[in-house]
Amino acid sequence: AQKVTQAQTEISVVEKEDVTLDCVYETRDTTYYLFWYKQPPSGELVFLIRRNSFDEQNEISGRYSWNFQKSTSSFNFTITASQVVDSAVYFCALREPNSGYALNFGKGTSLLVTP
Amino acid sequence: EPEVTQTPSHQVTQMGQEVILRCVPISNHLYFYWYRQILGQKVEFLVSFYNNEISEKSEIFDDQFSVERPDGSNFTLKIRSTKLEDSAMYFCASIKDREIAEAFFGQGTRLTVV
Repeated sequence: AQKVTQAQTEISVVEKEDVTLDCVYETRDTTYYLFWYKQPPSGELVFLIRRNSFDEQNEISGRYSWNFQKSTSSFNFTITASQVVDSAVYFCALREPNSGYALNFGKGTSLLVTP
Repeated sequence: EPEVTQTPSHQVTQMGQEVILRCVPISNHLYFYWYRQILGQKVEFLVSFYNNEISEKSEIFDDQFSVERPDGSNFTLKIRSTKLEDSAMYFCASIKDREIAEAFFGQGTRLTVV
């Protein structure tokens, strides 16, 4: 069963638009960690954020913000005023203590920002 | 800033050959991982390694795969007899401790089996 669902396969926006990438997760653990990673065309995985299950505070970092809602098992990622350099594949991931702490990735959302 | 380094960046090998992918995790990290990403697909967990032994492995990590930490710095993934379907990007990752949880990834090794 898919533990992390990223329903949006591809999103295309014009520069300066805001865009939200959805992530829905499934777990029976009460303690778990959620992550977002960015994979630019060069292929590396760039860590963006980690969120613990007991910390539901939303977070903002520059143009990036994350909305964590345990009630709906969602951890959505918003990019404000998108830029061409934001073009990448974005992965949401879940880490559960009962699964050996390995990261369980979603299938990713490919974001294309055009000028 | 400390980083995970992987070598080589790209490896081409003939089907049936053995390959060894190398990783140098961040020096004070204790948990090490290998992940695989087939082109265009999601990143998949292969194996985790702690205290010089495998702590968990996925179904993908069958008998043709092995991992080793031969010295205090290197962490290797060996594929004994490569198949075409082993072609993928292989990522190494390390974690300082489980409570900190953030995994640092290397830049990946692209393995092409021909």
